[in-house]
Amino acid sequence: ETGVTQTPRHLVMGMTNKKSLKCEQHLGHNAMYWYKQSAKKPLELMFVYNFKEQTENNSVPSRFSPECPNSSHLFLHLHTLQPEDSALYLCASSQGYRGQGNTIYFGEGSWLTVV
Amino acid sequence: KQEVTQIPAALSVPEGENLVLNCSFTDSAIYNLQWFRQDPGKGLTSLLLIQSSQREQTSGRLNASLDKSSGRSTLYIAASQPGDSATYLCAVKGNTPLVFGKGTRLSVIA
Repeated sequence: ETGVTQTPRHLVMGMTNKKSLKCEQHLGHNAMYWYKQSAKKPLELMFVYNFKEQTENNSVPSRFSPECPNSSHLFLHLHTLQPEDSALYLCASSQGYRGQGNTIYFGEGSWLTVV
Repeated sequence: KQEVTQIPAALSVPEGENLVLNCSFTDSAIYNLQWFRQDPGKGLTSLLLIQSSQREQTSGRLNASLDKSSGRSTLYIAASQPGDSATYLCAVKGNTPLVFGKGTRLSVIA
């Protein structure tokens, strides 16, 4: 138990569906992240929120839409996805965003399959 | 742009053997380096974090070293056990979020 909880753990959706991934952290952290992990590729940073403000968008297609209503919750809204978007989506949090010493904590991930 | 490379991509060893996993990075201007463990279908668990001013960190049977000037880190696992089987990821942090390597998939055979 890392203090970062992701739901659902598994999701299968059609290309025309709209779904959302949810992340909640109980660590009092100020920064939250979405990463994508595809087979045989390094973890790819998608979005960073620091104090509820988006600080990084790593050229992510608009079919992925993040939302951070407060420092403890982060959502990833999904719509009209493609099969190549099937991957493990990992949420993470850390006390700070830039600078040293900020250990990052990951959730268990949400496995997404687009059919 | 920071790039992180991990060698080997996969490793299989008999139980009890000592082993070394390698990580290299292209930009030495880092604040810290972290080693993570990932079990199949799971998230990442932080194993060790080395600040840029440190040379090594130890936790139980794990020892991580950092040579910032040469852009290298190693993770040493002593007396390996089947429970150590997992993917080990190295990540470096500069003035940006973590940049990850592709990982080394370790299998420890009983």
